[in-house]
Amino acid sequence: DTGVSQNPRHKITKRGQNVTFRCDPISEHNRLYWYRQTLGQGPEFLTYFQNEAQLEKSRLLSDRFSAERPKGSFSTLEIQRTEQGDSAMYLCASSFQGGNNEQFFGPGTRLTVL
Amino acid sequence: AQTVTQSQPEMSVQEAETVTLSCTYDTSESDYYLFWYKQPPSRQMILVIRQEAYKQQNATENRFSVNFQKAAKSFSLKISDSQLGDAAMYFCAYRPGQGGSEKLVFGKGTKLTVNP
Repeated sequence: DTGVSQNPRHKITKRGQNVTFRCDPISEHNRLYWYRQTLGQGPEFLTYFQNEAQLEKSRLLSDRFSAERPKGSFSTLEIQRTEQGDSAMYLCASSFQGGNNEQFFGPGTRLTVL
Repeated sequence: AQTVTQSQPEMSVQEAETVTLSCTYDTSESDYYLFWYKQPPSRQMILVIRQEAYKQQNATENRFSVNFQKAAKSFSLKISDSQLGDAAMYFCAYRPGQGGSEKLVFGKGTKLTVNP
């Protein structure tokens, strides 16, 4: 399978705990995006990388959230001191700069904070 | 800030019939892209169709076509010969053109049910 992969697919945690999600983009894609989707809503942009550089961050990305893409390949999204309001589906997408900029989405990680 | 509005939370269609999903958007930009994404239950989002704002011709992909009205800022999706596999959430999305933000701005979605 050469699509975007995300791990884990589901995560249940207690309030106050830290969680980390991983995204592996399509191998030749140099752009990687994180979105958050809550029930009944469309995805909301969180942040975007071009290679290893984080070029854009949403105001939704509070200081409890941090994303990295250290080698320009996979990315991690960490949420510290989780809150119940963090419960959502976290979607990763990737695209190839210079192509038609289509973003290909992964299956998402569903986070439940108890 | 750009916004995308989908005014139909739910739609239903009979198999083999045609259905149109509505989308309006707000932007002050002249160069941008519009997309329709499909999100089946518990499955990942896939691109259905895209439209470049500078193109007057409406995009078409097999049974899927759009009606792009730039002046009215309207971008509707028509699904012809609906199939059971078309049942999903459909999201309209906007992205600025070259040199703008790379983020997609999504509407809240329309849940499409296809009745056999």
